[in-house]
Amino acid sequence: NAGVTQTPKFQVLKTGQSMTLQCAQDMNHEYMSWYRQDPGMGLRLIHYSVGAGITDQGEVPNGYNVSRSTTEDFPLRLLSAAPSQTSVYFCASSYRTRADTQYFGPGTRLTVL
Amino acid sequence: EDKVVQSPLSLVVHEGDTVTLNCSYEVTNFRSLLWYKQEKKAPTFLFMLTSSGIEKKSGRLSSILDKKELFSILNITATQTGDSAIYLCAATGGNDMRFGAGTRLTVKP
Repeated sequence: NAGVTQTPKFQVLKTGQSMTLQCAQDMNHEYMSWYRQDPGMGLRLIHYSVGAGITDQGEVPNGYNVSRSTTEDFPLRLLSAAPSQTSVYFCASSYRTRADTQYFGPGTRLTVL
Repeated sequence: EDKVVQSPLSLVVHEGDTVTLNCSYEVTNFRSLLWYKQEKKAPTFLFMLTSSGIEKKSGRLSSILDKKELFSILNITATQTGDSAIYLCAATGGNDMRFGAGTRLTVKP
């Protein structure tokens, strides 16, 4: 099993550009989520999904979109990148809910100029 | 509002020292307290605690939960340079999970 995979590992964008961060898991987990991690602020939840076709907003959803067409994939889209979105992004999955043990992907370091 | 507070925010020790990391929480319908270790990349799971007073142990790491006083501690004995990392705690309540800001531990040779 590969676990949770994310691509790309690094990305530099200009303000206003859009892009998609990819996330996939092969553990047949129902729950998937996206976090951003900024210095001194821990992990903050952006969006999450409790199963294919179902998504919801987390703590900091503005400027991001998600979709969940399959159990395995949960891409995160930045609609119009802003410098405030410079961060490290982690995708995570767990068996059924956020309260179950979460397994994290390796992260994407995004810089918006 | 639900919150998780970790202390200290950073800590520098020498190899062989024993350290204690603290995590206090206020979470509605509390279910569990989790500890993660984050080195250069993704957080990796260490412990899940659900019951007060029962120590969980893995090698030199141990953790305990106090549900009355709403906190948990993570102990690391005989620290090694490989223990240098950010240690995150997270509290779950209902279907929610809230992370603390983390404690950055640096172990010097």
